[in-house]
Amino acid sequence: AQSVTQLDSHVSVSEGTPVLLRCNYSSSYSPSLFWYVQHPNKGLQLLLKYTSAATLVKGINGFEAEFKKSETSFHLTKPSAHMSDAAEYFCVVNGRSGYALNFGKGTSLLVTP
Amino acid sequence: DSGVTQTPKHLITATGQRVTLRCSPRSGDLSVYWYQQSLDQGLQFLIQYYNGEERAKGNILERFSAQQFPDLHSELNLSSLELGDSALYFCASSLSGKLDTQYFGPGTRLTVL
Repeated sequence: AQSVTQLDSHVSVSEGTPVLLRCNYSSSYSPSLFWYVQHPNKGLQLLLKYTSAATLVKGINGFEAEFKKSETSFHLTKPSAHMSDAAEYFCVVNGRSGYALNFGKGTSLLVTP
Repeated sequence: DSGVTQTPKHLITATGQRVTLRCSPRSGDLSVYWYQQSLDQGLQFLIQYYNGEERAKGNILERFSAQQFPDLHSELNLSSLELGDSALYFCASSLSGKLDTQYFGPGTRLTVL
């Protein structure tokens, strides 16, 4: 089955320092991978999407992720955290049928001044 | 703003009752997806419709049903409600279906008392 594991349930960084949110995936074939963000009391917003075109994917708000097949990882990074980045982040893989999305359990990012 | 709308925003009801959640997809999107977000289960795919037809099914209880109407809006019906059905219910839409980017609505928060 297609699944993702987010390795940290909580990450805390200082404003202006780099962000690293870790995600490993399990897939029997070439997956499509996504990162979504959920701000408090808001819906889910797509940050970026990987579909095998390029291993380094750039998203919105300065985020990017690198697909590493050898490590089965799709970690999300940002060079410099902003207070507005504080939110819940979900690593997502497409389901076997290609229709459903399978979500990780989420990583809560806290940004301190 | 993703362009996906959901009503109502909040719903409070009692056990044993029945409720209907409504979703309007982005203009031009033919597929609608329903997801449930709860503290213990995380984000789970429930069901997908494409142009009025059921396309994929996930962990949807028999007490729950959905449909997509000719104008492409969708409704999720939850009946014989239990305390454990309290959750945030998201609707998402995409252009067609398989491997498309899904755009999420703001969600309906259901509280069963």
